[in-house]
Amino acid sequence: QITLKESGPTLVKPTQTLTLTCTFSGFSLSTTGVGVGWIRQPPGKALEWLALIYWDDDKRYSPSLKSRLTITKDTSKNQVVLTMTNMDPVDTGTYYCAHTRENILTGFDYWGQGTLVTVSS
Amino acid sequence: EVVLTQSPATLALSPGERATLSCRASQSVSSYLAWYQQKPGQAPRLLIYDASNRATGIPARFSGSGSGTDFTLTISSVEPEDFAVYYCQQRSNSLTFGGGTKVEIK
Repeated sequence: QITLKESGPTLVKPTQTLTLTCTFSGFSLSTTGVGVGWIRQPPGKALEWLALIYWDDDKRYSPSLKSRLTITKDTSKNQVVLTMTNMDPVDTGTYYCAHTRENILTGFDYWGQGTLVTVSS
Repeated sequence: EVVLTQSPATLALSPGERATLSCRASQSVSSYLAWYQQKPGQAPRLLIYDASNRATGIPARFSGSGSGTDFTLTISSVEPEDFAVYYCQQRSNSLTFGGGTKVEIK
């Protein structure tokens, strides 16, 4: 059974750096084709993809946010960490991590419950 | 970056009616397209992958079609639990989501 869960601060101040951790179980990030991505959703708005890391440590970032994002993995801890620098109120929203197996299908087939991050002074 | 445009923005239907949702890509994404359903307060759920394949546990009333730049998600007969927001997503060129279509009760 695959599960993912996001954790991190619920409130950050403008200009601060956000660090979110995705802790997962039921799969290994060393298995060929497996990836974990981060997706966010401002209140009442659409989904926005942020970053994705693959089993081979290949990393992909949203072009519009690339300069602010870093994604890393700790295979031994079954964790993926996303950092986003220079946070702004427009970055407020729910942040999800999700599992993908791009050698098998297009899409994220398992999602965490999401964590709401508010950016405010 | 590939832009995905979903239409209509809102679709008002009665239970039992057929729903046809569109997703148009700004350039070809081949068949690297997925559809999701999202209900309020919940994470998205994968419905369709690679344009036309139902994900595990998805009812047969959901079907996907298309390739290249034009894609369609069809719900053959809308059930009460299908009222939600639907998103498309591509991974052919980077990764992007569409703006969503809300299926609401008429």
